[in-house]
Amino acid sequence: DTGVSQNPRHKITKRGQNVTFRCDPISEHNRLYWYRQTLGQGPEFLTYFQNEAQLEKSRLLSDRFSAERPKGSFSTLEIQRTEQGDSAMYLCASSRAVRADEQYFGPGTRLTVT
Amino acid sequence: EDQVTQSPEALRLQEGESSSLNCSYTVSGLRGLFWYRQDPGKGPEFLFTLYSAGEEKEKERLKATLTKKESFLHITAPKPEDSATYLCAVQAMNRDDKIIFGKGTRLHILP
Repeated sequence: DTGVSQNPRHKITKRGQNVTFRCDPISEHNRLYWYRQTLGQGPEFLTYFQNEAQLEKSRLLSDRFSAERPKGSFSTLEIQRTEQGDSAMYLCASSRAVRADEQYFGPGTRLTVT
Repeated sequence: EDQVTQSPEALRLQEGESSSLNCSYTVSGLRGLFWYRQDPGKGPEFLFTLYSAGEEKEKERLKATLTKKESFLHITAPKPEDSATYLCAVQAMNRDDKIIFGKGTRLHILP
């Protein structure tokens, strides 16, 4: 399978704990995006990388959130001191940005903070 | 501010009953408009990209069209397996990164 993969698929954590998610993009794609999606809403942009450089961060990305993409391959999204409001589906997408950004999404990581 | 509004929020159709989903957008110069399909608990699946007014794209029972202010996703003779949430998204000409999504239309096709 050459699509975008994300791990874990589900994560349950207690408030105040740190969590880390991983995304492996489609191999020839140089752009990688993180989104958050809550029930009944469309995906909301969090941040994006072109190769290893993080080029933009949304206002939604508080200081408790950090993302990395070492060597321009896989990416990790870490949430520190989780809060119940962080419960959501975290989606990763990748693209080649040829003309317009046709982004291909992974299956997502469902985070539940108790 | 760039914005995407989809209507209706939910739509129930009988199998074979054709209909259209609407996506109205406001963007400072359109780089591209995208349609995605999302099944429950899964990531969005890319369907189409439209670049300019008058453009149309087709895939099986789906056809997407674009005007200067809105896009339609026409569903012809739908089947129960077409049931999903359909998301519309736009990318602005001056922003080659962020894509703005609408809230989606939940489509349910009754057998």
